[in-house]
Amino acid sequence: AQRVTQPEKLLSVFKGAPVELKCNYSYSGSPELFWYVQYSRQRLQLLLRHISRESIKGFTADLNKGETSFHLKKPFAQEEDSAMYYCALYTGRRALTFGSGTRLQVQP
Amino acid sequence: DVKVTQSSRYLVKRTGEKVFLECVQDMDHENMFWYRQDPGLGLRLIYFSYDVKMKEKGDIPEGYSVSREKKERFSLILESASTNQTSMYLCASRWTASTDTQYFGPGTRLTVL
Repeated sequence: AQRVTQPEKLLSVFKGAPVELKCNYSYSGSPELFWYVQYSRQRLQLLLRHISRESIKGFTADLNKGETSFHLKKPFAQEEDSAMYYCALYTGRRALTFGSGTRLQVQP
Repeated sequence: DVKVTQSSRYLVKRTGEKVFLECVQDMDHENMFWYRQDPGLGLRLIYFSYDVKMKEKGDIPEGYSVSREKKERFSLILESASTNQTSMYLCASRWTASTDTQYFGPGTRLTVL
């Protein structure tokens, strides 16, 4: 069955430090992966999708099919990056499967 | 501007009550979804609908039902609320393509006493 694993519930870093939010997936087919973000008191919103190979707010994520991973990275964290981050997998079932989320805290 | 609205931000109900959560989108999206969001568990899919009057069970449909009589509106129904249904409920909508963005509502925090 399809599954998304985010092993860290909380990641705390200092401003300017690199950030890597881990995401591993389990799916036998060709996956489509996304990162969604929820800032404090805001609704959940799309951050980026692997198919676009884009960089949003300095974040990038590369799909590694060999390691079944889609880790989210940013070279220099900012305080405004503090939020809840969810990795999501689309498997052709019409709906996304989300991970349990990682809270990123960027300290000044 | 894209908009998904939910009928209530906060709701308090008693065990055994019938509860209706409403979601409306103004983007003419075919697909609509109901998730519950719990700390440590992330978002779990309850039900989704890919067209008017069409619905499909998600991962945790027990204790819930849905209704989609009009394209823009997707209702989640708790037939007999229980305390373990206390949660944040999120509605979302999307066009049909898998890579399309899912747009989320602000959420309804439901407390069942």
